Amino acid sequence: QSVLTQPPSVSGAPGQRVTISCTGSSSNIGAGYDVHWYQLLPGTAPKLLIYGNINRPSGVPDRFSGSKSGTSASLAIAGLRAEDEADYYCQSYDSSLRDYVFGPGTKVTAL
Amino acid sequence: QVQLQESGPGLVKPSETLSLTCTVSGGSIGDYYWTWIRQPPGRGLERIGYISYTGSTNYNPSLKSRVTISLDTSRKQVFLRLTSVTAADTAVYYCARTSVSPPGPPYFDSWGQGTLVTVSS
Repeated sequence: QSVLTQPPSVSGAPGQRVTISCTGSSSNIGAGYDVHWYQLLPGTAPKLLIYGNINRPSGVPDRFSGSKSGTSASLAIAGLRAEDEADYYCQSYDSSLRDYVFGPGTKVTAL
Repeated sequence: QVQLQESGPGLVKPSETLSLTCTVSGGSIGDYYWTWIRQPPGRGLERIGYISYTGSTNYNPSLKSRVTISLDTSRKQVFLRLTSVTAADTAVYYCARTSVSPPGPPYFDSWGQGTLVTVSS
């Protein structure tokens, strides 16, 4: 059971904006540790989408954006596309566990 | 562009040792850390541990007693060794290039496609 919480699934119509939350506590996100986001598509190498809460690596479309406030972080996908259907994971550090932790993942579906 | 490729046996017997290799191409193995991550079927991601280009390591506390990660910089390969495996170690194992930017936690900026390892007799 992860110390970071994500909704199991999120869906939206193509073109819509969807948001995935990553909720933690005072020992991880709330302690100021950065949050990173990854996209996992079956059969392909996982992809870094956001690092350091808000930064996009080169090559990641600007439809993907990250934010962080208090004990939570969010990944937003603007203009949802069928190709965005994937599992998305947040990642941070937990000072109580003294380890790097992932959220449980959120499956995004384009309706 | 850096590419990572995991390789090793797809089937390991219970109580035996799981050994995997990650081969790095298209980029330098120096200046980065290298992390092994796994994903059991139907479950989320779990960090196994990482190794720096100088050879220092950091392991997941829950796996620390069974894990060894090593590096061969001349061959641009990273190795994972997990002893005394059980069915709970069945997972897709990923190798990931790791960027460290203190004070934030490291992040994994390039990944291999992963290799499925099944623990079964």
